[in-house]
Amino acid sequence: AQSVAQPEDQVNVAEGNPLTVKCTYSVSGNPYLFWYVQYPNRGLQFLLKYITGDNLVKGSYGFEAEFNKSQTSFHLKKPSALVSDSALYFCAVRDPDNFNKFYFGSGTKLNVKP
Amino acid sequence: DAGVIQSPRHEVTEMGQEVTLRCKPISGHNSLFWYRQTMMRGLELLIYFNNNVPIDDSGMPEDRFSAKMPNASFSTLKIQPSEPRDSAVYFCASKGTGQDTQYFGPGTRLTVL
Repeated sequence: AQSVAQPEDQVNVAEGNPLTVKCTYSVSGNPYLFWYVQYPNRGLQFLLKYITGDNLVKGSYGFEAEFNKSQTSFHLKKPSALVSDSALYFCAVRDPDNFNKFYFGSGTKLNVKP
Repeated sequence: DAGVIQSPRHEVTEMGQEVTLRCKPISGHNSLFWYRQTMMRGLELLIYFNNNVPIDDSGMPEDRFSAKMPNASFSTLKIQPSEPRDSAVYFCASKGTGQDTQYFGPGTRLTVL
């Protein structure tokens, strides 16, 4: 079975500091990994994805994620956090046998304080 | 493009009533997904359609839930009868052929009293 785990319910960082939101995955076959962000009262928005290639993936709003096969991780990062980055972040994996089926993590609430 | 459109944005109803949630996918997208989001269970896939045909409804909680997609630009999720435990945010998402990314609507917040 495919799954992702986000071990932290909440991450608190100060504005200007680097941030990391953790995600680990379990998948049979090659992983197709995604990060989405959800702002209050809004739907999820795509941030970035890893399909193949470079382990460091760059996405929207200055976010990037590092794919680590040996640790089965796909952590989301940003060098300098903004207050406006405060939101709920979801990691997701696509079923390698069914390109229409995605499994989402439980979400991590990011709080960036001024 | 207006993105995925969902209506209503908020719905408050009483237990036992029928609830119908509506979704208009992005034009040209051929896959449509219905998700439910709760604090307890996170984001769950309920059902998805490909070219208007239901492909996988294994996530539909029970027979009280049904979904239809009569054409490429419209889908409904119906709960009959509704129960308080159905209270959640319901998201619709769509995806184009060969695309990896799903595009989510703003959601419908359902409260069943």
